[in-house]
Amino acid sequence: QVQLVESGGGVVQPGRSLRLSCGASGFTFSRYGMHWVRQAPGKGLDWVAIISHDGNKKYYTDSVRGRFTISRDTSKNTLFLQMDSLRAEDTAMYYCAGILRFSNFFDPWGQGTLVTVSS
Amino acid sequence: QSALTQPASVSGSPGQSIAFSCTGTSSDIGYKYVSWYQQYPGKVPKVIIYDVNNRPSGVSDRFSGSKSGNTASLTISGLQAEDEADYYCSSFTNSGTWVFGGGTKLTVL
Repeated sequence: QVQLVESGGGVVQPGRSLRLSCGASGFTFSRYGMHWVRQAPGKGLDWVAIISHDGNKKYYTDSVRGRFTISRDTSKNTLFLQMDSLRAEDTAMYYCAGILRFSNFFDPWGQGTLVTVSS
Repeated sequence: QSALTQPASVSGSPGQSIAFSCTGTSSDIGYKYVSWYQQYPGKVPKVIIYDVNNRPSGVSDRFSGSKSGNTASLTISGLQAEDEADYYCSSFTNSGTWVFGGGTKLTVL
């Protein structure tokens, strides 16, 4: 079945780095633009970044541009998010989500991986 | 990159119809398509409306969407207890990014 599985979350000190992964299965990964969406505890959804289906285009929300890097390995059906210079305000559940090329909505979603930035 | 504006909370009684608003700008909602997501506590968001007014298969026809200018709306008719959840709108923007609304918590009285 269609599945996205995130990993790599954990507790990290401010200023340190973390790398998230998202493994895809059950669908044609190369046909999907892939996103990271986060949700701080008790807060709303916050779009973070997108990488196009072919990996050629990447966009970021202002608050993470220059600190986070999105990438994908289509041969391994895996999405990544390299997070550097982490801040307390980056604490959130991080979801990976896909948008089928030429469509305009997030589906599927992963179950999320929790990132806590704290000293 | 400001979040789309949604009311923080809405409430209604079973059987009622209720509408949620989602206000953006000509760079997001007014520019492209809007989608809506339902999220239960501790669960993953689920798309319930896409491209303004389309429902994925399996989503109740009690859910409908519309858009006028820079404001989108989600309407739930025949409100049921199971509809109690958080609802988020989302839109693509003309700068290649995406944006979500702050979310609306629906309480069924």
